[in-house]
Amino acid sequence: GAVVSQHPSWVICKSGTSVKIECRSLDFQATTMFWYRQFPKQSLMLMATSNEGSKATYEQGVEKDKFLINHASLTLSTLTVTSAHPEDSSFYICSANRAGQATYEQYFGPGTRLTVT
Amino acid sequence: DAKTTQPTSMDCAEGRAANLPCNHSTISGNEYVYWYRQIHSQGPQYIIHGLKNNETNEMASLIITEDRKSSTLILPHATLRDTAVYYCIAPLNYKYIFGTGTRLKVLA
Repeated sequence: GAVVSQHPSWVICKSGTSVKIECRSLDFQATTMFWYRQFPKQSLMLMATSNEGSKATYEQGVEKDKFLINHASLTLSTLTVTSAHPEDSSFYICSANRAGQATYEQYFGPGTRLTVT
Repeated sequence: DAKTTQPTSMDCAEGRAANLPCNHSTISGNEYVYWYRQIHSQGPQYIIHGLKNNETNEMASLIITEDRKSSTLILPHATLRDTAVYYCIAPLNYKYIFGTGTRLKVLA
């Protein structure tokens, strides 16, 4: 159990366009979802935390108008990269906490590789 | 989150035990220690977590020192598929802050 999926697994887009990435918890309800970004040979960097039905909390230095996060249901969160530029090319990973879980275990998705040309 | 410190890289012979240390000297009394690993171009995979007592599951064992300032993840019989970056995390709340992790290379 506790499977998280992401769609698409990879995407190539042109500079200036917007890209939406979906994160779904397949077999559990997720009260909190997290979005991370990972550049080559670097660690995961937390971008934002989202709770179902409320606004996301962004980490310092992450532009909320550029990275739009929507957590409309207990099984779906979306990250939209608006007006993408080549420097936004990265590996984007989401994770989720299971609703009612007593521990802080996060279940991670497989990641989405974004390339902006 | 308590700050965690791990060696940058380690090698281990296939079939031998891999012992991966983590220092978390600023950990508070109610912070668990979590271990994840990330195989190239995939999302992190949960391995194990603990608070005070040593823990074991089908993947690994976790040894936590009595003062809780450090821990060791043990893969009892490392295989080539265990080659990955291993992260030790001590979250105070639901938010994870990833350090650099240890890049484990299992050698044939």
